[in-house]
Amino acid sequence: DAKTTQPPSMDCAEGRAANLPCNHSTISGNEYVYWYRQIHSQGPQYIIHGLKNNETNEMASLIITEDRKSSTLILPHATLRDTAVYYCIVRVTDSWGKLQFGAGTQVVVTP
Amino acid sequence: DSGVTQTPKHLITATGQRVTLRCSPRSGDLSVYWYQQSLDQGLQFLIHYYNGEERAKGNILERFSAQQFPDLHSELNLSSLELGDSALYFCASSPYGTGHDEAFFGQGTRLTVV
Repeated sequence: DAKTTQPPSMDCAEGRAANLPCNHSTISGNEYVYWYRQIHSQGPQYIIHGLKNNETNEMASLIITEDRKSSTLILPHATLRDTAVYYCIVRVTDSWGKLQFGAGTQVVVTP
Repeated sequence: DSGVTQTPKHLITATGQRVTLRCSPRSGDLSVYWYQQSLDQGLQFLIHYYNGEERAKGNILERFSAQQFPDLHSELNLSSLELGDSALYFCASSPYGTGHDEAFFGQGTRLTVV
């Protein structure tokens, strides 16, 4: 599976949009981009995933560049409860798809 | 609540002992994954079962073994425990286990080896 690169940390003000970047320059055509988050030692929580089109759900939006080499997770109105480690993962669609977690981005939402 | 249940939540045991961690997947999910999270290693994939059969192995030690039963619950057995095995152990489940279904994680079992 392709590797991902994320900034180790970022801060965001409560109520503002949080834009979390992820680089996956070696992504293959059959790999999805997944985002999970982990709130302080709880089990990781699924956020969103996509292949090449932008995706939106009740939690977030995922913007994938046209060349698919990078993506951005957008939390539209960050709250204090969004403080967590966010993981960007690429995952092969046709295999028995284990999730390989990297170090992620520690996001701290401040009042 | 993800629908994935892990028991026990906490476990303290001595070096050299053996423990069993249990995972009940979400209703209808056929795949179960096990992960280990220690302070210095992050989330490490251990093993994946689909409908009772092993499908993928990660960084799982030979002292560790797992199985998935006909009712789809899974157990992770850890033997000859060492201090370094202290970690959070997470189980996740998904409907199929292919690359484009969502995996839902339980709240983990915190294992402390003393």
